[in-house]
Amino acid sequence: NAGVMQNPRHLVRRRGQEARLRCSPMKGHSHVYWYRQLPEEGLKFMVYLQKENIIDESGMPKERFSAEFPKEGPSILRIQQVVRGDSAAYFCASSPKDSNQPQHFGDGTRLSIL
Amino acid sequence: AQSVTQLGSHVSVSEGALVLLRCNYSSSVPPYLFWYVQYPNQGLQLLLKYTSAATLVKGINGFEAEFKKSETSFHLTKPSAHMSDAAEYFCAVTRGGSNYKLTFGKGTLLTVNP
Repeated sequence: NAGVMQNPRHLVRRRGQEARLRCSPMKGHSHVYWYRQLPEEGLKFMVYLQKENIIDESGMPKERFSAEFPKEGPSILRIQQVVRGDSAAYFCASSPKDSNQPQHFGDGTRLSIL
Repeated sequence: AQSVTQLGSHVSVSEGALVLLRCNYSSSVPPYLFWYVQYPNQGLQLLLKYTSAATLVKGINGFEAEFKKSETSFHLTKPSAHMSDAAEYFCAVTRGGSNYKLTFGKGTLLTVNP
């Protein structure tokens, strides 16, 4: 399967812990996007990254959230000191270098905060 | 800024009946429009997209949508529903010329009754 791979599929954390969500884009894709889906809501854009660069992070909360897409390895969405309100499904998408191509989505990581 | 309104959070049809899922958009610039489908515990799959070419867009699985600028609408239709069409459907918009920073509607859950 050469699709967008996200892991873990499910992640449980206690309040105050850190959550790390990983995303490997489709082969040949160099653009990565992270979205958050709250219950009963559509997906909300969080951040757009290219290799080693954050292009647009206008949807990221100002504190506790960070994202990276290193030269080697997957993209990481990191949430520090998680709170109950961080419980959501987090989706990663990728697209080729031409950003006019549609985004392909992974199956998401369901984050639950106890 | 762009926004999307999906009328009806839940639509129920009988197998073989017409499927109509409504989407209205707001955009200050010519938009690109998308319909995605999400099956339980999976990511989003692109059904079709409008990128300023033909106003009637055909997608996968027999779905199509028509861009109507005068009505600011992009409704999704399928002549005959199958049981396998049961899923959640999301309409999304982005500014023309770029497909990142998708703005999604809240989704419409489609139920297909035998």
